[in-house]
Amino acid sequence: EVQLVESGGGLVKPGGSLRLSCAASGFTFSSSNMNWVRQAPGKGLEWVSSISGSSSDIYYADSVKGRFTISRDNAKNSLYLRMNSLRAEDTGVYYCARYSENYRTLAYWGQGILVTVSS
Amino acid sequence: SYELTQPPSVSVSPGQTATITCSGDALPKQYAYWYQQKPGQAPVLLIYKDTERPSGIPERFSGSSSGTTVTLTISGVQAEDEADYYCQSADSSGWVFGTGTKVTVL
Repeated sequence: EVQLVESGGGLVKPGGSLRLSCAASGFTFSSSNMNWVRQAPGKGLEWVSSISGSSSDIYYADSVKGRFTISRDNAKNSLYLRMNSLRAEDTGVYYCARYSENYRTLAYWGQGILVTVSS
Repeated sequence: SYELTQPPSVSVSPGQTATITCSGDALPKQYAYWYQQKPGQAPVLLIYKDTERPSGIPERFSGSSSGTTVTLTISGVQAEDEADYYCQSADSSGWVFGTGTKVTVL
């Protein structure tokens, strides 16, 4: 069974930093494209970033480019999101999601972790 | 990136049919996907590649595509179908989600 468990969220001041982690199990992590998707309170879903299995291909939404860094450690079956220069508009639930080759989309999602940026 | 536009809300009586549209200029060239999200939960994939249903998703959920619009149809709506629904498609570097539709079961 695919499991994705996010951690590392919390309250941070504007301009601060935070690192999110996602622990993966139940599939071959090293060959899976992984993503971060976020959702501001009461708002819709927003794709944030993606990384290929080998880390050779990395993409970011324009809203986080230059501030966020996605990475992975295949030996630890873990995905990360380093968030710097945080703003109030970065507040929301952050989901780790796995791309499925079979479904050609983000078919597996973690339960999400809340990040609150506030003074 | 481009936009995917959905109606903000749809209301439907139990047993009736709910129709949710999603419009976007890139949809004739890209597959569309649909997710259901209930309060406090992660999204669940309902439809992939415009019309396909993952295993475990009830047959009352179906997808269709025509030009720049894709449609999610829920036939014989049940109370448990009350949720937010999002369409999704790909762009050059990532994913684009629709604006979301709240389905209310009267």
